[in-house]
Amino acid sequence: AQKITQTQPGMFVQEKEAVTLDCTYDTSDPSYGLFWYKQPSSGEMIFLIYQGSYDQQNATEGRYSLNFQKARKSANLVISASQLGDSAMYFCAMRINNAGNMLTFGGGTRLMVKP
Amino acid sequence: GAGVSQSPRYKVAKRGQDVALRCDPISGHVSLFWYQQALGQGPEFLTYFQNEAQLDKSGLPSDRFFAERPEGSVSTLKIQRTQQEDSAVYLCASSLSRGTTEAFFGQGTRLTVV
Repeated sequence: AQKITQTQPGMFVQEKEAVTLDCTYDTSDPSYGLFWYKQPSSGEMIFLIYQGSYDQQNATEGRYSLNFQKARKSANLVISASQLGDSAMYFCAMRINNAGNMLTFGGGTRLMVKP
Repeated sequence: GAGVSQSPRYKVAKRGQDVALRCDPISGHVSLFWYQQALGQGPEFLTYFQNEAQLDKSGLPSDRFFAERPEGSVSTLKIQRTQQEDSAVYLCASSLSRGTTEAFFGQGTRLTVV
């Protein structure tokens, strides 16, 4: 069975600084996708970035980049130039491509941006 | 609306009461998912529809949980004889098709069983 681990329950970052949120995963399937979602206090899950297991380059989306280290089974999220609006819960998730379409989520990291 | 819509946003149920939670996916989205998110935890998969077909219900915690999507659009998650451990946020997500990278989530329904 697949598993996602986020070891940082909470993180502080100074506004305008960069921050890395850790995510490790466990699967024996070679074909999978990794996702990061942001969940503000309003409750909705907002898609941030996606990395496929066969992608050669790390994914980037604006201020978000995914540091994908396949051999270590890690998919850390890097947020550059943090903004106050980045304060939220962040979830790492995985989808096994040949085993249904559902996402398996980690326990989340609460990011707090200090002014 | 343009996004996934869930109703009600909040529901308080007495233990033993039946509840029905509604999800309106994005128009044209084939895939629809239900997740359960307990307080302070990540969402956990409940069930998956492709159009009107329920292809996976392996995450439903008991036979008190039932989901349907009869016309391949709106979905309803029904919980019978609610118990306190059912208290959670129930999230609905839709995606354009199987294998599409991005799933769009609604704001969820927060169910509190008292």
